[in-house]
Amino acid sequence: DADVTQTPRNRITKTGKRIMLECSQTKGHDRMYWYRQDPGLGLRLIYYSFDVKDINKGEISDGYSVSRQAQAKFSLSLESAIPNQTALYFCATSDRRASTGDRETQYFGPGTRLLVL
Amino acid sequence: DAKTTQPTSMDCAEGRAANLPCNHSTISGNEYVYWYRQIHSQGPQYIIHGLKNNETNEMASLIITEDRKSSTLILPHATLRDTAVYYCIVRVGNDYKLSFGAGTTVTVRA
Repeated sequence: DADVTQTPRNRITKTGKRIMLECSQTKGHDRMYWYRQDPGLGLRLIYYSFDVKDINKGEISDGYSVSRQAQAKFSLSLESAIPNQTALYFCATSDRRASTGDRETQYFGPGTRLLVL
Repeated sequence: DAKTTQPTSMDCAEGRAANLPCNHSTISGNEYVYWYRQIHSQGPQYIIHGLKNNETNEMASLIITEDRKSSTLILPHATLRDTAVYYCIVRVGNDYKLSFGAGTTVTVRA
């Protein structure tokens, strides 16, 4: 979905390096999410933010931090990258103002493929 | 959230309708049925959702049985670009959590 963009699309880094993945959206949604996907494990929620001042840990937040710089921007940082953080990372958004059922329909970005050596 | 059961894989001929079944026999009254798909290594794409009535949009139709224990996603005229993993997800409408199971790998063949 072109309304949700992620940069970079691909990244190779070394163990111990700090890296940041960025997500921007033009959908005007207030809620944003970061997921990772590993082969055979489906999507797992890392962090989510319901607005600029409301950030919450997901099921696998250890080793990650986030920053919600504005309603449209949500960044994910790996403070000290390790090889088992090699994965596909997806950002998603949803609209709290939508009606029930529509409210938590999530729209995903194209993903960032991260390789930690 | 109620669990869902989907076939592991299915094939479909290009130009024909693809009917993807999903069982959710333990669904609760306030749980919606959502469908997403993921084309290889791309971001998951929302397709459609419904509560109890049948729904249609530009991508697909969703048929929910009267007892709501199962549903079918219909892609009316499958194309090669519809080859993807399709996920049926049941969740409460206000719940932000989105859990993807194994899904159905759909292969559209020319």
